[in-house]
Amino acid sequence: KQEVTQIPAALSVPEGENLVLNCSFTDSAIYNLQWFRQDPGKGLTSLLLIQSSQREQTSGRLNASLDKSSGRSTLYIAASQPGDSATYLCAVFTGANSKLTFGKGITLSVRP
Amino acid sequence: DGGITQSPKYLFRKEGQNVTLSCEQNLNHDAMYWYRQDPGQGLRLIYYSQIVNDFQKGDIAEGYSVSREKKESFPLTVTSAQKNPTAFYLCASRSEGGFYEQYFGPGTRLTVT
Repeated sequence: KQEVTQIPAALSVPEGENLVLNCSFTDSAIYNLQWFRQDPGKGLTSLLLIQSSQREQTSGRLNASLDKSSGRSTLYIAASQPGDSATYLCAVFTGANSKLTFGKGITLSVRP
Repeated sequence: DGGITQSPKYLFRKEGQNVTLSCEQNLNHDAMYWYRQDPGQGLRLIYYSQIVNDFQKGDIAEGYSVSREKKESFPLTVTSAQKNPTAFYLCASRSEGGFYEQYFGPGTRLTVT
């Protein structure tokens, strides 16, 4: 059974810092991995999707990498801003049974 | 403007009443999903549907029911059999064409007292 882990559960950093959020998964037979952002009381917004054949994807200050063989992904946020404060979730799609498996998320707080 | 709409944003019900949460999408996606989110528990899959008139139970289907009569709509009914229905409910759909990217609606917060 696929399990997705995100550690730590919460992170607080000063504004301007570059930071890395980690995601690990137990079964490397994935089709893709998706990073989401969730603001309090809101739905999830898709940030980046990495196909299993890709190593990384970039969007603005965000860069996500994927190492399928080791079961790891990282989300790099450059020059963090208070507006980046949110919960970041990763999820893997294996194709089997058409379901995503989610991590519990990392709640990020960027201090001004 | 394509997307997923959920209504209402907040819903209040008395214990023992059934309640139906609406989810509509205009993304032309075949697959749709319902999740429940509780503090500290992450997202848990309730039901999903890969095509009209077909749906499968997720990890926590007890006390819930769904229908999929139209491609655009996937309503969720929270029945009185659901022991702890107060939660944040999220609807999602998934694209095809090789990317299989999942998109979420804004959510409905259900409070049952």
